[in-house]
Amino acid sequence: NAGVTQTPKFRILKIGQSMTLQCTQDMNHNYMYWYRQDPGMGLKLIYYSVGAGITDKGEVPNGYNVSRSTTEDFPLRLELAAPSQTSVYFCASSFRPDRELNQPQHFGDGTRLSIL
Amino acid sequence: GDSVTQMEGPVTLSEEAFLTINCTYTATGYPSLFWYVQYPGEGLQLLLKATKADDKGSNKGFEATYRKETTSFHLEKGSVQVSDSAVYFCALFYGGATNKLIFGTGTLLAVQP
Repeated sequence: NAGVTQTPKFRILKIGQSMTLQCTQDMNHNYMYWYRQDPGMGLKLIYYSVGAGITDKGEVPNGYNVSRSTTEDFPLRLELAAPSQTSVYFCASSFRPDRELNQPQHFGDGTRLSIL
Repeated sequence: GDSVTQMEGPVTLSEEAFLTINCTYTATGYPSLFWYVQYPGEGLQLLLKATKADDKGSNKGFEATYRKETTSFHLEKGSVQVSDSAVYFCALFYGGATNKLIFGTGTLLAVQP
């Protein structure tokens, strides 16, 4: 089982460059999420998607864009990289959240991004 | 708003010591509570969960009890191992239309042989 796969694992960007962080899952999950993890700050939700063609903003969406053309893929795009976007980015997925079933979110291994 | 507060780290223990990592929460409703673990270089993995007051979650020797009266979900383990060294995150979760996890800041545990 591959689970949630993120690429690349590491990347260094120059200020103003753009890039796409890839995320794919093979568990047929409806919901997908993007988080960033900053030291001492826990995880903050950037964007999430409840299904193909549907996306919504999380807590910290500025400077990012997402799309969800298929159930499996949920790429995150940085259009104009800024030093404040240096972080570790995690993609996660889950079945439709249901309090009774408590479907947990499954996380990828992360992408470590540095903007210099 | 809803939030999760964890004890500051790092927590440094010797092998076979008793572990407690404190977690308290503020919630407007009745969330489920989770503990996630992040090993070095990896993503987060669900460690244990509790869905209602007085529930006890347990896994791999770790335990946590959902205490509504003290709004707490402290993580405990009777005898830690070097392999338990990781960052531990407490989180609350509503599911349904809200469908979001709210994480604490994480607590680094370092276990020395």
